[in-house]
Amino acid sequence: EIVLTQSPGTLSLSPGERATLSCRASQSLSSSFLSWYQQKPGQAPRLLIYGASSRATGIPDRFSGSGSGTDFTLTISRLEPEDFAVYYCQQYGSSPLTFGPGTKVDIK
Amino acid sequence: QLQLQESGPGLVKPSETLSLTCTVSGGSISSSSYYWGWIRQPPGKGLEWIASISYSGSTYYNPSLKSRVTISVDTSKNQFSLKLSSVTAADTAVYYCARSRGELPYDYWGQGTLVTVSS
Repeated sequence: EIVLTQSPGTLSLSPGERATLSCRASQSLSSSFLSWYQQKPGQAPRLLIYGASSRATGIPDRFSGSGSGTDFTLTISRLEPEDFAVYYCQQYGSSPLTFGPGTKVDIK
Repeated sequence: QLQLQESGPGLVKPSETLSLTCTVSGGSISSSSYYWGWIRQPPGKGLEWIASISYSGSTYYNPSLKSRVTISVDTSKNQFSLKLSSVTAADTAVYYCARSRGELPYDYWGQGTLVTVSS
């Protein structure tokens, strides 16, 4: 099973600031099958990024993903009020599918 | 627009079987290249993938739950289902159904349904 580790656990930032979230895999991911989800309280996760760097339909370009192998990054260039949420990375190239523990981005 | 909706009992007794159904609207459950899955989230915790079923009926299970889980599809009703047997309090969670396409992650999710295991 591929274990995903996310850091930091919590990121306290102000609107307009840049957020950099990290996801590390216990083994190299095939074909960069790494996605990022955003989840707000009481809501289902929302797909942001797939294939490590491709934005899902309707996702603003302030969200970007990068990385390969075992190290991946989600960057939010300028935080909007609606971006304060929990972010999960997920690998979907190897069964069982696994998620990271999440990074909470909260308002400083 | 594709929509998924979970349904089932909100309260299940310990040792019994949890049964949930996901109704798909706005698209056919038997369309080629689609995979249908279940993911759960205990209160205040992270996400755990449970199982998936392909458009052709192939099933995939999380080894940690495999002995207790069954996923199935009813194409006549455009639904797929989850059964989790011998539940304990540790199975208390919000259960989500979701869809993926080919070699892509889950892009459509249901709103989730809270299932509590308690006597």
